[in-house]
Amino acid sequence: GDSVTQMEGPVTLSEEAFLTINCTYTATGYPSLFWYVQYPGEGLQLLLKATKADDKGSNKGFEATYRKETTSFHLEKGSVQVSDSAVYFCALSDPRYGGATNKLIFGTGTLLAVQP
Amino acid sequence: DAGVIQSPRHEVTEMGQEVTLRCKPISGHDYLFWYRQTMMRGLELLIYFNNNVPIDDSGMPEDRFSAKMPNASFSTLKIQPSEPRDSAVYFCASSLGQAKPGLAGGTYNEQFFGPGTRLTVL
Repeated sequence: GDSVTQMEGPVTLSEEAFLTINCTYTATGYPSLFWYVQYPGEGLQLLLKATKADDKGSNKGFEATYRKETTSFHLEKGSVQVSDSAVYFCALSDPRYGGATNKLIFGTGTLLAVQP
Repeated sequence: DAGVIQSPRHEVTEMGQEVTLRCKPISGHDYLFWYRQTMMRGLELLIYFNNNVPIDDSGMPEDRFSAKMPNASFSTLKIQPSEPRDSAVYFCASSLGQAKPGLAGGTYNEQFFGPGTRLTVL
């Protein structure tokens, strides 16, 4: 079935370091891909999205490119801040070509801890 | 808008007791989702509604779990009887409109999550 695999955490970085969190997916059809972020004690928030191959989603300095050839959607940021410390979830829409659904399939989440 | 509202924020109960979690979606949203988050299983979709009608409850773990949406502004998730393995954070989310995937790039309607209810069953 459809699934999302993301790198295990925690990821611990110093402030201003470069961030990569890997995400790969398995899906039929043409899924849309997403990164959600969960700050401590809060619900998930959409960080960025891409709805077709080669699209780049970006927000708050984070970027991810939808790579159909490698079935990947890696999250990157050039210079992380302490305030970026959170859990990051990769997700895909439940793809049903010719149909429509609002379901999401999430990865297990990656905890990012940024130290000053 | 106040966003998705969930209550209670924390619930501690004893095994065998009935637990009811509540959710108020964002006004005007026509989709409502219930998720469960645990360390072992991550984030799981339990059930979702469209226009108050349950569309997919395949994620509901067993008959002890039930969900209702009596109107567009309120939903409940009930566990009866509760067990220690039900301990988790339960999230409610809502969205507006129907997503349309497709070859040339689909559309997607963002899900807005509530703050969650942390349930502990002793």
